Amino acid sequence: DVKVTQSSRYLVKRTGEKVFLECVQDMDHENMFWYRQDPGLGLRLIYFSYDVKMKEKGDIPEGYSVSREKKERFSLILESASTNQTSMYLCASSPHTGTTYEQYFGPGTRLTVT
Amino acid sequence: ILNVEQSPQSLHVQEGDSTNFTCSFPSSNFYALHWYRWETAKSPEALFVMTLNGDEKKKGRISATLNTKEGYSYLYIKGSQPEDSATYLCALNQAGTALIFGKGTTLSVSS
Repeated sequence: DVKVTQSSRYLVKRTGEKVFLECVQDMDHENMFWYRQDPGLGLRLIYFSYDVKMKEKGDIPEGYSVSREKKERFSLILESASTNQTSMYLCASSPHTGTTYEQYFGPGTRLTVT
Repeated sequence: ILNVEQSPQSLHVQEGDSTNFTCSFPSSNFYALHWYRWETAKSPEALFVMTLNGDEKKKGRISATLNTKEGYSYLYIKGSQPEDSATYLCALNQAGTALIFGKGTTLSVSS
């Protein structure tokens, strides 16, 4: 079974703090993704990566950055957390070629910024 | 920006009822349509991936159909059970790496 893990289920941070959300997958997938989920807005793509050290902006990259130094790990960074970044953050991975890009999700991190 | 639309946004049914949801999407550059089930406090899990016009997939009491020419997919649940309560997401893939998700349909089944 594919396993995608996220470093925390719940996180509370203060406005202005630098926040790191970590995601690790164990299936040697090339693609990794970060989403946020807000009521009424569905899953929105923040960033994705299709290879080590490669990244692409999604629909809502403002206020976020990412890092992918190893194939299995994809980090989401909030440079200076703000209250409007309070949300559920989901990480996902998928294989790259010869597939239908089915994504496997982690359990999510519920981040509260106060 | 491409829109993947799902309806209804939410619905509530009684145990034993059958129900269906709709996902509509732009039919151009179609590659695959995904359905996911997202139960509270769990990760979204893939139900179906469909690629061909006219595809029908079935898993137990849940089935899905696909019409790529007119840009829609239906998800059917026969004889709903309380454990079917979840948010059902559809997502479009246009042969790129990323999926475009709809906002989901939240199903609540009462016993």
